[in-house]
Amino acid sequence: DVKVTQSSRYLVKRTGEKVFLECVQDMDHENMFWYRQDPGLGLRLIYFSYDVKMKEKGDIPEGYSVSREKKERFSLILESASTNQTSMYLCASGKGLGLYEQYFGPGTRLTVT
Amino acid sequence: AQSVTQLDSQVPVFEEAPVELRCNYSSSVSVYLFWYVQYPNQGLQLLLKYLSGSTLVKGINGFEAEFNKSQTSFHLRKPSVHISDTAEYFCAVSGGNKLVFGAGTILRVKS
Repeated sequence: DVKVTQSSRYLVKRTGEKVFLECVQDMDHENMFWYRQDPGLGLRLIYFSYDVKMKEKGDIPEGYSVSREKKERFSLILESASTNQTSMYLCASGKGLGLYEQYFGPGTRLTVT
Repeated sequence: AQSVTQLDSQVPVFEEAPVELRCNYSSSVSVYLFWYVQYPNQGLQLLLKYLSGSTLVKGINGFEAEFNKSQTSFHLRKPSVHISDTAEYFCAVSGGNKLVFGAGTILRVKS
């Protein structure tokens, strides 16, 4: 059974803190993705990675960075958390780009106070 | 660039009634189309996808969707819904190296 896990389901952080969200997949997928989900806006792509140490900006990369040191792990970093980064964060992985489906983790609900 | 419009933010329907969730897309290249479902407090899972071939695509849980190139639509249908179908449904289009999602449609099935 395919599996994408995220380090936390719920997280509360203070403004200005550095925040790490971790994602691990066990399917040997080359591609991994970070999205944020907000009501009425659907899912918006923050960053994706198509190989170890490779990354590309998505549609809303500002205020975020990522790290992929190992194939199975993809981390999202908020260098200095702000209240407008309060959101649901979803990680996904996939075999390839385009026509391949993506497999999603359960999400991390981050609240920045 | 690709974009997706889901025409209804919420669709209330009674149990055992049919339902249609509407999705329109725009793309300047050949597209691959997807429907995902998100149950409460869970991540997204794939319902069905259109890559090529037959325009009528069958998915899990009795859902199906029809690709209509002339109307640039990919509407999702189910002939008889159950309470357990209550969830948020996302249409997505891929024309390149990423998926673009619609804003989502919340399906509320009432008894």
